[in-house]
Amino acid sequence: LAKTTQPISMDSYEGQEVNITCSHNNIATNDYITWYQQFPSQGPRFIIQGYKTKVTNEVASLFIPADRKSSTLSLPRVSLSDTAVYYCLVGDPYTGGFKTIFGAGTRLFVKA
Amino acid sequence: DADVTQTPRNRITKTGKRIMLECSQTKGHDRMYWYRQDPGLGLRLIYYSFDVKDINKGEISDGYSVSRQAQAKFSLSLESAIPNQTALYFCATSDWASGTDTQYFGPGTRLTVL
Repeated sequence: LAKTTQPISMDSYEGQEVNITCSHNNIATNDYITWYQQFPSQGPRFIIQGYKTKVTNEVASLFIPADRKSSTLSLPRVSLSDTAVYYCLVGDPYTGGFKTIFGAGTRLFVKA
Repeated sequence: DADVTQTPRNRITKTGKRIMLECSQTKGHDRMYWYRQDPGLGLRLIYYSFDVKDINKGEISDGYSVSRQAQAKFSLSLESAIPNQTALYFCATSDWASGTDTQYFGPGTRLTVL
């Protein structure tokens, strides 16, 4: 199982861009990188998924270097409502989410 | 996600009682999961099911059992509840055919065992 390492917590201010980096040194060839967001007392919610290079959607961007040993979730112009825990997961979508592990995640606190 | 519902949302019970948590989904997904989350920690997988006839233990299955009554329903049972099973429990679903295996989570059940 590919293990991920990400910062325990981060602080930011409203309007800033936030970049959260995740290390996954033993990522496998078929593994994808997926990020989830979780608000207190709610279930995690899918943010973005990618395999290589850059992926962008209406919420975030995901940057994946060529060696795929790390990835960076970029949240543009954060607001107070982006205060949440962000999880980086690595796994093969065809063999099942059960092989992906939700670690402790990164607690992002956005200040006014 | 409203397509994944969990009942009850909150439950207080006593040590030794049998408890069942229920999960239903209208997303038509084949895969379903049960996780628990303890304060300040990530999610840990209890059981997962790829279809009605396929049920597998996850990371922390001891003290729990599950039943996949139909594609849309996946129940988690605590045969004899103990205080350290006090946690927030989440059900999730995913669709193998999507190619992304994105998991969709229910609102959670907060269980307290006294």
